[in-house]
Amino acid sequence: AQSVTQLGSHVSVSEGALVLLRCNYSSSVPPYLFWYVQYPNQGLQLLLKYTSAATLVKGINGFEAEFKKSETSFHLTKPSAHMSDAAEYFCAVSDRSGNQFYFGTGTSLTVIP
Amino acid sequence: EPEVTQTPSHQVTQMGQEVILRCVPISNHLYFYWYRQILGQKVEFLVSFYNNEISEKSEIFDDQFSVERPDGSNFTLKIRSTKLEDSAMYFCASSPLQASGPGYTFGSGTRLTVV
Repeated sequence: AQSVTQLGSHVSVSEGALVLLRCNYSSSVPPYLFWYVQYPNQGLQLLLKYTSAATLVKGINGFEAEFKKSETSFHLTKPSAHMSDAAEYFCAVSDRSGNQFYFGTGTSLTVIP
Repeated sequence: EPEVTQTPSHQVTQMGQEVILRCVPISNHLYFYWYRQILGQKVEFLVSFYNNEISEKSEIFDDQFSVERPDGSNFTLKIRSTKLEDSAMYFCASSPLQASGPGYTFGSGTRLTVV
């Protein structure tokens, strides 16, 4: 069965500091991995996804994530946090044959001015 | 950019009442989905729909739930007799291909409050 674990339900960073949101996956075969962002009272917006091409994936708003098979991780990073990055971030996994996502519990990012 | 549209954005209903949540998927998409997110919890898969039938459903999607594509544009989720624990944000999604492909798009959600 597919699952993802997001370490840290709340992360606070100072504006301009590095953002690191952690995600580990559990899968018997290499999965497809995704990061979504949810702003207050809004829907889910795709940040980036890994589908077995390059292991370093660049997304929107300056975010990127690296697929590390040896660590079963897909951590999300951004070199310099902006106030507008404050939101809920969800890691999700999908296997290659299925058509549903399995979401993590989410990480709430707070950016301190 | 094409969007998945959900209406209403917020619905309040009394326990035991039937409720229908509506979604307009992106027009050339073939796969349709419903997810829900109970406040403070993770987003959970409910059901996927392809070629006018359910292709996959989770344990949550019991006999109280049903989905329908009544015409060429709408995709609905019906809850027959709502319970307090059905209060959640419900997200519709659509994709041209399965999840591995591009274009899997979520709507902005309908917040259902059962009182």
